[in-house]
Amino acid sequence: AQSVTQLGSHVSVSEGALVLLRCNYSSSVPPYLFWYVQYPNQGLQLLLKYTSAATLVKGINDFEAEFKKSETSFHLTKPSAHMSDAAEYFCAVSYPGNQFYFGTGTSLTVIP
Amino acid sequence: EAGVTQFPSHSVIEKGQTVTLRCDPISGHDNLYWYRRVMGKEIKFLLHFVKESKQDESGMPNNRFLAERTGGTYSTLKVQPAELEDSGVYFCASSQLTGGSLETQYFGPGTRLLVL
Repeated sequence: AQSVTQLGSHVSVSEGALVLLRCNYSSSVPPYLFWYVQYPNQGLQLLLKYTSAATLVKGINDFEAEFKKSETSFHLTKPSAHMSDAAEYFCAVSYPGNQFYFGTGTSLTVIP
Repeated sequence: EAGVTQFPSHSVIEKGQTVTLRCDPISGHDNLYWYRRVMGKEIKFLLHFVKESKQDESGMPNNRFLAERTGGTYSTLKVQPAELEDSGVYFCASSQLTGGSLETQYFGPGTRLLVL
């Protein structure tokens, strides 16, 4: 069975600091990987996805994630946090035509 | 283009009552998914429609949950009778049929259900 682990249910960073949100998956075959963001009172919005092309994936709002097969990881980073980045972030894995498996989410707080 | 919409946004009901949640997918999306997030836990898959047919309902918790997608457009998820543990946020997502290649699921804002 597939599973996704997001380390840290809450992460706080200062405005302008590096954002690092961790995601590890367990799968015998590399899946497709996604990061979604949920802003307050809104739906899940796709930030970026890994589809077995480039291992470094760039998404919206200067977020990026790197797929590391050896570490079974897909950590999300952003060089400089903005106040508007405060939200909940979800990592998910999937195979074509199949359901998504989500992590428990990481709530990001940005401190002015 | 309108996104996935869900109704109601919030619902508070008493144990034993019935609630029906509705999801309108993006126009033209044949795949429709229901997910649920219980507070503090991961978002979990409930079921998957392809057009009007149930493709996978392995995530449905029990027979108190009934999902329909008549005509292959909008979908409803009925909980009858509701229990306390049914509280959570119910998400709907839709995607295009891709013939086996990667699809992107687009999510609605969710319905927050509280059973008292």
